[in-house]
Amino acid sequence: SQQGEEDPQALSIQEGENATMNCSYKTSINNLQWYRQNSGRGLVHLILIRSNEREKHSGRLRVTLDTSKKSSSLLITASRAADTASYFCATGGGSQGNLIFGKGTKLSVKP
Amino acid sequence: KAGVTQTPRYLIKTRGQQVTLSCSPISGHRSVSWYQQTPGQGLQFLFEYFSETQRNKGNFPGRFSGRQFSNSRSEMNVSTLELGDSALYLCASSLVGDPGKQYFGPGTRLTVT
Repeated sequence: SQQGEEDPQALSIQEGENATMNCSYKTSINNLQWYRQNSGRGLVHLILIRSNEREKHSGRLRVTLDTSKKSSSLLITASRAADTASYFCATGGGSQGNLIFGKGTKLSVKP
Repeated sequence: KAGVTQTPRYLIKTRGQQVTLSCSPISGHRSVSWYQQTPGQGLQFLFEYFSETQRNKGNFPGRFSGRQFSNSRSEMNVSTLELGDSALYLCASSLVGDPGKQYFGPGTRLTVT
């Protein structure tokens, strides 16, 4: 079953703009992860944020986590055409068992 | 290190047949998980193997089974294929003690006709 929902389901922006995707989840978590999937291919791990962290950066990526609202957001700054992909949040994994994914946000970055 | 590999990459089968998919994890990774991805249901967990034992199982019928070998390579089998089994099957490996980060293979695209 799905843990939560990403919002929006699809996002289309121009190169150079920022892209923000949101994720909500239902149960308590130890951490939350974001993955990227290029069309029809495997998932690539982007960033993991632990439940005691509020914000984390990695290159052009910024992730926030609000455990009181059970939500997270992923910000991609200065988007590039190569960022075109689907982005998924996932909870669980490790000692919490299997990863549970949201339905994903499909990002299209137009050159 | 080489990444997670999956074979075959594409497969076309007929209803009622069975299929076996293979996954080789990253060297040193002992946990292997399988996921099914469809447009309607999204990414759904099938099962996880660790040290040749199934540690966790998703909500799939018994037609879906798997195993893991002593070298951590894993196979999953689907018997009596149905049209609804058409999907991208993803394998992921992870390190023991890692907080949950998984490394995914490119997937096997199964089409059932």
